Amino acid sequence: EAQVTQNPRYLITVTGKKLTVTCSQNMNHEYMSWYRQDPGLGLRQIYYSMNVEVTDKGDVPEGYKVSRKEKRNFPLILESPSPNQTSLYFCASSSGSSGYNEQFFGPGTRLTVL
Amino acid sequence: GIQVEQSPPDLILQEGANSTLRCNFSDSVNNLQWFHQNPWGQLINLFYIPSGTKQNGRLSATTVATERYSLLYISSSQTTDSGVYFCAVHDMNRDDKIIFGKGTRLHILP
Repeated sequence: EAQVTQNPRYLITVTGKKLTVTCSQNMNHEYMSWYRQDPGLGLRQIYYSMNVEVTDKGDVPEGYKVSRKEKRNFPLILESPSPNQTSLYFCASSSGSSGYNEQFFGPGTRLTVL
Repeated sequence: GIQVEQSPPDLILQEGANSTLRCNFSDSVNNLQWFHQNPWGQLINLFYIPSGTKQNGRLSATTVATERYSLLYISSSQTTDSGVYFCAVHDMNRDDKIIFGKGTRLHILP
């Protein structure tokens, strides 16, 4: 089944403790992206990647890192999480190396930083 | 950068009613998608519709790219249609960023 998977689905952590949220897709898509969703603000793009070893900042990249060593994986790294990073996070992928094709979303990761 | 505005922000309807949701964007786009976020938080693809009209069951969408808007029509609403509807566009002028509208929250009453 074609899908985007994220792990973990739920995470509660404390300020400053490094964490990684994994994202994997099995559709051989070039473009992958991370979003955060906050009440009243909708979804905002954090980082995106147009292909392996190519990443770029979205609208809210501060406090996050990403890497794209393999086509299928695009982990989101919070090196020193803070309470303002408490949010619902989505990973997405689409075919082509640009953002203009149909995007497919993972199930979301609900992160709470205490 | 491109602005994406959705209206109305909230909509409460009786089951069986029809509704039209609107997405306005401030500049040219070559990608527009409509999503439904269900009460469990899942984002479900509805339409990939940079231009033209598409239909899928009770739902249809029309994008008029030259006039910078898209409409999502829901006919004969059901309680399972409740949730938040988002449109998202590809900002051609800002590398390959994707911009979401803030959504329309739809509540269908039984």
